[in-house]
Amino acid sequence: SQKIEQNSEALNIQEGKTATLTCNYTNYSPAYLQWYRQDPGRGPVFLLLIRENEKEKRKERLKVTFDTTLKQSLFHITASQPADSATYLCALGCAGGNNRLAFGKGNQVVVIP
Amino acid sequence: GAVVSQHPSRVICKSGTSVKIECRSLDFQATTMFWYRQFPKKSLMLMATSNEGSKATYEQGVEKDKFLINHASLTLSTLTVTSAHPEDSSFYICSARDLDRENIQYFGAGTRLSVL
Repeated sequence: SQKIEQNSEALNIQEGKTATLTCNYTNYSPAYLQWYRQDPGRGPVFLLLIRENEKEKRKERLKVTFDTTLKQSLFHITASQPADSATYLCALGCAGGNNRLAFGKGNQVVVIP
Repeated sequence: GAVVSQHPSRVICKSGTSVKIECRSLDFQATTMFWYRQFPKKSLMLMATSNEGSKATYEQGVEKDKFLINHASLTLSTLTVTSAHPEDSSFYICSARDLDRENIQYFGAGTRLSVL
């Protein structure tokens, strides 16, 4: 069966450190992968998109890697700040089919001042 | 990023009434919009894909007569929860796909529906 796995335990991290989140998937062949941030009671906010032929993407303090052999994406927040505290969702997109996304459950990050 | 507006943000209604939720793309045209439902600490579950000018495509297990979707223009899709019951209480979120921005889905702020 198809699975998208993100760590269900919250990641508590000291301010200034790098937070690293993992997204593993099974029985998917995504053409691209997206990361979103979601705050409580709010809709997801788009952060980064990485395609299957890309190894790494960066945007400001964020970095995403995509390993189609390991079927894994890593999401890094460098120099983390308390304002980065939120739940981060990974979403897999397959070509065609209206570009529907399949979401993981999300991984909560808590940045401690 | 692109802006998607969802309204209302919260609605409380009595059992048996119908509730309409609007989703608008404010600064781009969206031929495709999506409707999701999210339970606490769960992932977003796709309910249906809404295509402008045609019928929505519903995911397996989603009752199309219960959740009516209309996508009458390139900037507006509506979801109507008909004859709402307490089990329909949930967080509903829409998204719109921007063809000019790598097909990225941009999300509305969500609607918290509570059926009494």
